[in-house]
Amino acid sequence: AQTVTQSQPEMSVQEAETVTLSCTYDTSENNYYLFWYKQPPSRQMILVIRQEAYKQQNATENRFSVNFQKAAKSFSLKISDSQLGDTAMYFCARKAGGTSYGKLTFGQGTILTVHP
Amino acid sequence: NAGVMQNPRHLVRRRGQEARLRCSPMKGHSHVYWYRQLPEEGLKFMVYLQKENIIDESGMPKERFSAEFPKEGPSILRIQQVVRGDSAAYFCASSARTGTADNSPLHFGNGTRLTVT
Repeated sequence: AQTVTQSQPEMSVQEAETVTLSCTYDTSENNYYLFWYKQPPSRQMILVIRQEAYKQQNATENRFSVNFQKAAKSFSLKISDSQLGDTAMYFCARKAGGTSYGKLTFGQGTILTVHP
Repeated sequence: NAGVMQNPRHLVRRRGQEARLRCSPMKGHSHVYWYRQLPEEGLKFMVYLQKENIIDESGMPKERFSAEFPKEGPSILRIQQVVRGDSAAYFCASSARTGTADNSPLHFGNGTRLTVT
Protein backbone atom coordinates (compact mmCIF):
# COMPACT_ATOMS: atom_id res chain seq x y z
CA ALA A 1 0.00 0.00 0.00
CA GLN A 2 1.22 3.46 -0.81
CA THR A 3 1.25 5.41 2.43
CA VAL A 4 1.60 8.92 3.77
CA THR A 5 3.33 9.30 7.14
CA GLN A 6 3.25 12.24 9.51
CA SER A 7 5.65 11.43 12.32
CA GLN A 8 4.70 14.31 14.63
CA PRO A 9 1.40 13.66 16.43
CA GLU A 10 1.55 17.07 18.09
CA MET A 11 3.48 20.29 17.68
CA SER A 12 3.35 23.65 19.42
CA VAL A 13 4.70 27.07 18.55
CA GLN A 14 4.64 30.56 19.95
CA GLU A 15 2.67 33.20 18.12
CA ALA A 16 4.76 34.95 15.41
CA GLU A 17 7.31 32.12 15.35
CA THR A 18 7.93 29.63 12.54
CA VAL A 19 7.04 25.95 12.67
CA THR A 20 7.65 23.07 10.26
CA LEU A 21 5.42 20.02 9.97
CA SER A 22 6.92 16.95 8.38
CA CYS A 23 5.45 14.47 5.94
CA THR A 24 6.91 11.55 4.03
CA TYR A 25 5.20 9.34 1.51
CA ASP A 26 5.67 6.20 -0.45
CA THR A 27 5.04 6.02 -4.18
CA SER A 28 6.32 4.26 -7.26
CA GLU A 29 4.98 6.92 -9.58
CA ASN A 30 6.87 9.77 -11.16
CA ASN A 31 3.89 12.08 -11.49
CA TYR A 32 1.62 12.80 -8.55
CA TYR A 33 0.21 15.61 -6.45
CA LEU A 34 0.70 16.55 -2.81
CA PHE A 35 -1.52 18.61 -0.55
CA TRP A 36 -1.68 20.02 2.94
CA TYR A 37 -5.13 20.37 4.49
CA LYS A 38 -6.02 22.16 7.70
CA GLN A 39 -8.82 20.93 9.95
CA PRO A 40 -9.74 23.38 12.73
CA PRO A 41 -12.04 22.38 15.61
CA SER A 42 -15.02 23.19 13.38
CA ARG A 43 -14.01 20.03 11.49
CA GLN A 44 -13.99 21.77 8.11
CA MET A 45 -11.25 20.55 5.75
CA ILE A 46 -9.45 23.53 4.26
CA LEU A 47 -6.88 23.25 1.47
CA VAL A 48 -3.72 25.07 2.55
CA ILE A 49 -1.29 24.40 -0.28
CA ARG A 50 -0.62 21.96 -3.11
CA GLN A 51 2.42 20.81 -5.04
CA GLU A 52 2.75 19.05 -8.36
CA ALA A 53 5.57 16.53 -8.32
CA TYR A 54 6.87 17.44 -11.76
CA LYS A 55 7.46 21.02 -10.63
CA GLN A 56 10.78 21.57 -8.92
CA GLN A 57 9.84 24.93 -7.47
CA ASN A 58 8.41 24.76 -3.97
CA ALA A 59 4.85 26.02 -3.66
CA THR A 60 4.10 29.04 -1.47
CA GLU A 61 0.84 30.60 -0.32
CA ASN A 62 1.38 33.71 1.81
CA ARG A 63 2.73 32.50 5.18
CA PHE A 64 2.67 28.85 4.09
CA SER A 65 5.40 27.21 2.08
CA VAL A 66 6.57 23.68 1.41
CA ASN A 67 9.94 22.00 1.19
CA PHE A 68 9.44 19.33 -1.46
CA GLN A 69 12.27 16.81 -1.70
CA LYS A 70 11.22 14.41 -4.44
CA ALA A 71 14.14 12.01 -4.14
CA ALA A 72 13.63 11.73 -0.40
CA LYS A 73 9.83 11.59 -0.82
CA SER A 74 9.46 14.35 1.73
CA PHE A 75 6.91 17.17 1.74
CA SER A 76 7.15 19.40 4.80
CA LEU A 77 4.98 22.44 5.53
CA LYS A 78 6.47 25.61 6.95
CA ILE A 79 4.22 28.14 8.63
CA SER A 80 5.82 31.53 9.15
CA ASP A 81 4.61 34.22 11.55
CA SER A 82 2.26 31.74 13.22
CA GLN A 83 -1.13 33.06 14.25
CA LEU A 84 -3.60 31.83 16.84
CA GLY A 85 -5.99 30.96 14.02
CA ASP A 86 -3.46 28.46 12.69
CA THR A 87 -4.27 26.15 15.60
CA ALA A 88 -5.70 23.04 13.94
CA MET A 89 -5.02 19.51 12.83
CA TYR A 90 -2.92 19.44 9.66
CA PHE A 91 -3.08 16.60 7.18
CA CYS A 92 -0.66 15.79 4.42
CA ALA A 93 -2.21 14.01 1.43
CA ARG A 94 -1.12 12.52 -1.87
CA LYS A 95 -2.99 11.94 -5.08
CA ALA A 96 -1.84 9.66 -7.85
CA GLY A 97 -1.16 11.24 -11.19
CA GLY A 98 -2.64 9.94 -14.39
CA THR A 99 -6.11 9.80 -12.90
CA SER A 100 -8.67 12.51 -13.16
CA TYR A 101 -10.32 12.10 -9.80
CA GLY A 102 -9.68 12.98 -6.19
CA LYS A 103 -8.72 9.75 -4.52
CA LEU A 104 -6.44 11.08 -1.81
CA THR A 105 -4.32 9.16 0.66
CA PHE A 106 -4.04 11.07 3.93
CA GLY A 107 -1.50 10.95 6.72
CA GLN A 108 -2.51 10.54 10.34
CA GLY A 109 -2.39 14.25 11.02
CA THR A 110 -0.41 16.62 13.24
CA ILE A 111 -2.14 18.68 15.91
CA LEU A 112 -0.64 22.17 15.88
CA THR A 113 -1.21 24.50 18.81
CA VAL A 114 -0.19 28.15 18.55
CA HIS A 115 0.38 29.74 21.95
CA PRO A 116 -0.03 33.47 22.60
CA ASN B 1 -21.64 30.35 -4.27
CA ALA B 2 -22.48 27.80 -1.61
CA GLY B 3 -19.84 25.23 -0.79
CA VAL B 4 -20.34 21.51 -0.35
CA MET B 5 -23.36 21.02 1.88
CA GLN B 6 -23.71 18.02 4.12
CA ASN B 7 -26.57 17.15 6.40
CA PRO B 8 -27.21 16.35 9.05
CA ARG B 9 -24.26 17.75 10.94
CA HIS B 10 -24.72 15.24 13.72
CA LEU B 11 -26.58 11.95 13.56
CA VAL B 12 -27.23 9.55 16.40
CA ARG B 13 -28.41 6.03 15.68
CA ARG B 14 -28.95 2.95 17.79
CA ARG B 15 -27.27 -0.28 16.79
CA GLY B 16 -29.20 -1.96 14.01
CA GLN B 17 -30.78 1.20 12.63
CA GLU B 18 -30.07 2.76 9.26
CA ALA B 19 -28.07 5.95 8.72
CA ARG B 20 -28.53 8.16 5.65
CA LEU B 21 -26.02 10.91 5.05
CA ARG B 22 -26.63 13.56 2.40
CA CYS B 23 -24.24 15.62 0.34
CA SER B 24 -24.92 18.38 -2.17
CA PRO B 25 -21.79 19.20 -4.19
CA MET B 26 -20.69 22.67 -5.12
CA LYS B 27 -22.58 24.22 -8.00
CA GLY B 28 -21.19 22.98 -11.28
CA HIS B 29 -19.38 20.01 -9.71
CA SER B 30 -20.32 16.59 -11.02
CA HIS B 31 -17.75 14.52 -9.11
CA VAL B 32 -18.49 13.45 -5.55
CA TYR B 33 -16.30 11.60 -3.08
CA TRP B 34 -17.01 10.18 0.34
CA TYR B 35 -14.33 9.86 3.02
CA ARG B 36 -14.49 8.50 6.54
CA GLN B 37 -12.51 9.81 9.50
CA LEU B 38 -12.28 7.54 12.51
CA PRO B 39 -11.31 9.16 15.84
CA GLU B 40 -7.67 10.28 15.96
CA GLU B 41 -7.07 9.21 12.35
CA GLY B 42 -6.78 10.78 8.93
CA LEU B 43 -9.47 10.59 6.29
CA LYS B 44 -9.87 7.36 4.36
CA PHE B 45 -11.30 7.25 0.86
CA MET B 46 -14.54 5.32 0.52
CA VAL B 47 -16.15 5.91 -2.86
CA TYR B 48 -16.13 8.14 -5.92
CA LEU B 49 -19.27 8.84 -7.91
CA GLN B 50 -20.35 10.80 -10.91
CA LYS B 51 -23.98 11.43 -11.73
CA GLU B 52 -25.78 8.04 -11.70
CA ASN B 53 -22.48 6.13 -11.75
CA ILE B 54 -20.18 4.63 -9.15
CA ILE B 55 -16.66 4.99 -10.53
CA ASP B 56 -14.50 3.67 -7.69
CA GLU B 57 -15.82 1.99 -4.54
CA SER B 58 -12.57 0.37 -3.51
CA GLY B 59 -12.74 1.91 -0.02
CA MET B 60 -16.27 0.87 0.80
CA PRO B 61 -16.88 -1.94 3.27
CA LYS B 62 -18.28 -4.95 1.46
CA GLU B 63 -21.48 -5.10 3.46
CA ARG B 64 -24.06 -2.66 4.81
CA PHE B 65 -22.61 0.42 3.02
CA SER B 66 -23.90 1.85 -0.23
CA ALA B 67 -23.71 5.16 -2.04
CA GLU B 68 -25.60 6.82 -4.84
CA PHE B 69 -25.55 10.09 -6.75
CA PRO B 70 -28.82 10.32 -8.67
CA LYS B 71 -29.46 12.48 -11.68
CA GLU B 72 -31.47 14.84 -9.49
CA GLY B 73 -30.78 15.54 -5.84
CA PRO B 74 -27.92 15.01 -3.43
CA SER B 75 -25.54 12.14 -3.09
CA ILE B 76 -26.53 9.69 -0.36
CA LEU B 77 -24.28 7.47 1.74
CA ARG B 78 -26.37 4.78 3.35
CA ILE B 79 -25.30 2.54 6.20
CA GLN B 80 -27.64 -0.28 7.08
CA GLN B 81 -27.75 -2.01 10.47
CA VAL B 82 -25.19 0.31 12.01
CA VAL B 83 -22.70 -0.95 14.57
CA ARG B 84 -20.61 0.96 17.10
CA GLY B 85 -17.57 0.72 14.84
CA ASP B 86 -19.38 2.86 12.26
CA SER B 87 -19.12 5.86 14.61
CA ALA B 88 -16.99 8.37 12.73
CA ALA B 89 -17.06 11.63 10.83
CA TYR B 90 -18.10 11.17 7.22
CA PHE B 91 -16.93 13.78 4.77
CA CYS B 92 -18.16 14.49 1.30
CA ALA B 93 -16.04 16.33 -1.24
CA SER B 94 -16.63 17.50 -4.78
CA SER B 95 -14.50 18.61 -7.67
CA ALA B 96 -14.98 20.12 -11.07
CA ARG B 97 -13.94 18.51 -14.28
CA THR B 98 -11.33 20.74 -15.88
CA GLY B 99 -8.75 20.46 -18.58
CA THR B 100 -6.08 19.78 -15.98
CA ALA B 101 -8.21 17.58 -13.82
CA ASP B 102 -5.30 15.98 -12.05
CA ASN B 103 -4.73 18.97 -9.83
CA SER B 104 -8.34 20.00 -9.37
CA PRO B 105 -8.63 20.55 -5.65
CA LEU B 106 -11.22 18.79 -3.62
CA HIS B 107 -13.74 20.98 -1.83
CA PHE B 108 -14.88 19.35 1.36
CA GLY B 109 -18.10 19.70 3.29
CA ASN B 110 -18.13 20.10 7.06
CA GLY B 111 -18.84 16.42 7.59
CA THR B 112 -21.51 14.42 9.36
CA ARG B 113 -20.57 13.01 12.74
CA LEU B 114 -22.31 9.69 13.18
CA THR B 115 -22.60 8.29 16.68
CA VAL B 116 -23.91 4.78 17.15
CA THR B 117 -25.17 4.04 20.65
